[in-house]
Amino acid sequence: KAGVTQTPRYLIKTRGQQVTLSCSPISGHRSVSWYQQTPGQGLQFLFEYFSETQRNKGNFPGRFSGRQFSNSRSEMNVSTLELGDSALYLCASSLGGGPNTEAFFGQGTRLTVV
Amino acid sequence: AQSVTQLGSHVSVSEGALVLLRCNYSSSVPPYLFWYVQYPNQGLQLLLKYTSAATLVKGINGFEAEFKKSETSFHLTKPSAHMSDAAEYFCAVSHRDDKIIFGKGTRLHILP
Repeated sequence: KAGVTQTPRYLIKTRGQQVTLSCSPISGHRSVSWYQQTPGQGLQFLFEYFSETQRNKGNFPGRFSGRQFSNSRSEMNVSTLELGDSALYLCASSLGGGPNTEAFFGQGTRLTVV
Repeated sequence: AQSVTQLGSHVSVSEGALVLLRCNYSSSVPPYLFWYVQYPNQGLQLLLKYTSAATLVKGINGFEAEFKKSETSFHLTKPSAHMSDAAEYFCAVSHRDDKIIFGKGTRLHILP
């Protein structure tokens, strides 16, 4: 079956702009989590959605937001981009039955802010 | 609060030698523990996970990890390194929810 699909794979944006990233989970998975990966900070949890509701949230400013649709696809939005937002953004999907269920990761979207 | 510490941001081993990647965790309750691997320009792939069923966990590609509560450790090992094992490895911890906390990662280099 198809894996987790993230689009686009690469993005270049200018400071101050906004960006929307998309994640299509594995069919049947109801939980989608987003992570930011940078060389300095490693992998940091942004938020998790389950059945269209935000269930967990990390320590990121309000410029980072997300949503999940009825088909479990998820989008992440970053407004007023800053240079420090340059990172690899990873999406993971799971059945959502707790940490015992495996999370499957997409290949990520590499965002470069100039 | 949960946290994970990976000792050594870079580890080099010779092909055929033992691989040992260290991970210590902090959790106030019994944790779920994971090891993930990331190849260049790829997402993360689950190697193995500990969910309290057995302290020695076997994963894919010949890797295994042992949960030691007294040492709060979950080190990853492989008896014989292969060139294809070169990648970045992440230890992670989770509690009752689906929020996974990752360590900073260890980049494994395999020397010919």
